[in-house]
Amino acid sequence: DAGITQSPRHKVTETGTPVTLRCHQTENHRYMYWYRQDPGHGLRLIHYSYGVKDTDKGEVSDGYSVSRSKTEDFLLTLESATSSQTSVYFCAIRGTSTNEKLFFGSGTQLSVL
Amino acid sequence: QQQVKQSPQSLIVQKGGISIINCAYENTAFDYFPWYQQFPGKGPALLIAIRPDVSEKKEGRFTISFNKSAKQFSLHIMDSQPGDSATYFCAAYNNNDMRFGAGTRLTVKP
Repeated sequence: DAGITQSPRHKVTETGTPVTLRCHQTENHRYMYWYRQDPGHGLRLIHYSYGVKDTDKGEVSDGYSVSRSKTEDFLLTLESATSSQTSVYFCAIRGTSTNEKLFFGSGTQLSVL
Repeated sequence: QQQVKQSPQSLIVQKGGISIINCAYENTAFDYFPWYQQFPGKGPALLIAIRPDVSEKKEGRFTISFNKSAKQFSLHIMDSQPGDSATYFCAAYNNNDMRFGAGTRLTVKP
């Protein structure tokens, strides 16, 4: 999966607890993204980063925060998980501003009970 | 409001047949239209893509047809094989904004 590692692969948590998902890349790509995948909705962008400490909101950012302190790591945090955040989360990377190709990780299945 | 509408939700095709998946978009600023293929337990992978200055692009058994005036594009899979069974997503991109369709689950029966 293009040098992208997501961890954990599966997580079950309780409503109200904080959760952090990690995306690690070995491609030295500038752009990193967090998407969620839900039946009937395809993939929806949560947040993205265009460089270290440079991030911006996506289509469904409410309830999520991100951080990128190193080029290779992009963290997604659910401050207080809710059942509506049960989903499969995908990290993606992109090389340059002129190359639109996204490469995806294998995903994290998150269940919030 | 979904900016990229994809149909059908699911599709069953016999081996050797043609699979057709359709997408429509609203925002005329989109300038790159990829198709992604996803197998169970895996992330989506880029299959083929087209830009709006071209009406058709073919790569092996996979063809994208693009109609700029109708704001529609479609994926055709010729000689469909059981190994093509997967979920397919169309997408539209502009300025760091990639919008995906809801996906089509394709099953190719042997």
